[in-house]
Amino acid sequence: EPEVTQTPSHQVTQMGQEVILRCVPISNHLYFYWYRQILGQKVEFLVSFYNNEISEKSEIFDDQFSVERPDGSNFTLKIRSTKLEDSAMYFCASSGRGRGYTFGSGTRLTVV
Amino acid sequence: ELKVEQNPLFLSMQEGKNYTIYCNYSTTSDRLYWYRQDPGKSLESLFVLLSNGAVKQEGRLMASLDTKARLSTLHITAAVHDLSATYFCAVDIADSNYQLIWGAGTKLIIKP
Repeated sequence: EPEVTQTPSHQVTQMGQEVILRCVPISNHLYFYWYRQILGQKVEFLVSFYNNEISEKSEIFDDQFSVERPDGSNFTLKIRSTKLEDSAMYFCASSGRGRGYTFGSGTRLTVV
Repeated sequence: ELKVEQNPLFLSMQEGKNYTIYCNYSTTSDRLYWYRQDPGKSLESLFVLLSNGAVKQEGRLMASLDTKARLSTLHITAAVHDLSATYFCAVDIADSNYQLIWGAGTKLIIKP
């Protein structure tokens, strides 16, 4: 069964450092998403990406965040200057025309 | 603004009992999803409910959707310890590129 792959599974970074979280969505999916979940809390939408551009973003997704699909297979989330409050589990998801989502296993980001 | 409310947020129950988790949402939605999350793990899709009156069952779990009442239920029959997890409902909106809006989750603990 096709799956969404995320790397790394866990990243520890110092406050102020840049991090890049990587995702390989399902190959024939058209919509790509990043969500985050602060420990013990609800899942929050960050951004959706369609046709090589951002289609929606939430208030959380400020200028410190960016996404890219550099090579037609990877989908990355960059945080330019991490803050303590960025510590969370980050989930990538992909979807084919909104008909069901497949989530990756997540990257646990710890900012120290 | 679309809101998704789950209740209860926490549920402790004995094995063998039945219970229902409720999910209310505030506006018209195309689809409603139920996910399961084990601690520190990813989001496992349980059910996708597409239309009014939809009912789906998998093992001891049954989900239903009433689009007129904007209510979905997840019913647990004769609970077993393995069903202990956090259960999330989520809805998506076609005109927001299908981003998912999440409930806060119901943490279910089933005691032997």
